[in-house]
Amino acid sequence: QVQLVQSGAEVKKPGSSVKVSCKASGGNFRSFAFNWVRQAPGQGFEWMGGIIPYFGTTNYPQKFRGRITISADEATTTAYMELQSLTSADTAVYYCATQDYYSGWRSYFDPWGQGTLVTVSS
Amino acid sequence: DIVMTQSPDSLAVSLGERATINCESSQNLLYSSDNKNYLAWYQQKPGQPPRLLISWASIRESGVPDRFSGSGSGTDFSLTITSLQAEDVAVYYCQQYYSTPLTFGGGTKVEIK
Repeated sequence: QVQLVQSGAEVKKPGSSVKVSCKASGGNFRSFAFNWVRQAPGQGFEWMGGIIPYFGTTNYPQKFRGRITISADEATTTAYMELQSLTSADTAVYYCATQDYYSGWRSYFDPWGQGTLVTVSS
Repeated sequence: DIVMTQSPDSLAVSLGERATINCESSQNLLYSSDNKNYLAWYQQKPGQPPRLLISWASIRESGVPDRFSGSGSGTDFSLTITSLQAEDVAVYYCQQYYSTPLTFGGGTKVEIK
């Protein structure tokens, strides 16, 4: 089964950007959709969008459009999530999680990366 | 957007007793073309990422103990732990994957009484 290893914790200033990586190993990179889900402290989960490298397509919920970019590098089997114009409300643990690519977003998340804490503070 | 509502927010159950968590969706999650309910259940322990327990509302994942079971269809679903063990203390979440944006329930915290 694929394993996902994310980059380390980040501390950012309000108004700046953050880019989190998610390296996949142990599976066929092109057979997955890579999604990003965040969890604010003590809160539930919020899906931020995803990318299907096989089709080269992305899907972002309205809330994040214009502020998020999800990309993937097949050569390094790594997916990325960049979030711009950060505010304190973006302080959260950010997870990458995979779906089967052929489901077109209509699948469960399995597995998940270990999570990356992003703290936005002045 | 499909809203997922879980109940209760928390519950305390004695070891060996049954725990039942409910999840209601604002829209039907049963897809008529394949007769599948597009709903998953996850378990999250402190400091860990979520673990997939149940997919398609009732399909237990490999390695998940058989004391965990999922049921329901359409808009009403349940996760049942038939004999609670100490290692089951966690927060449980339902999630719909019927349509984007993909959405989660607010979580149910399960503790030992």
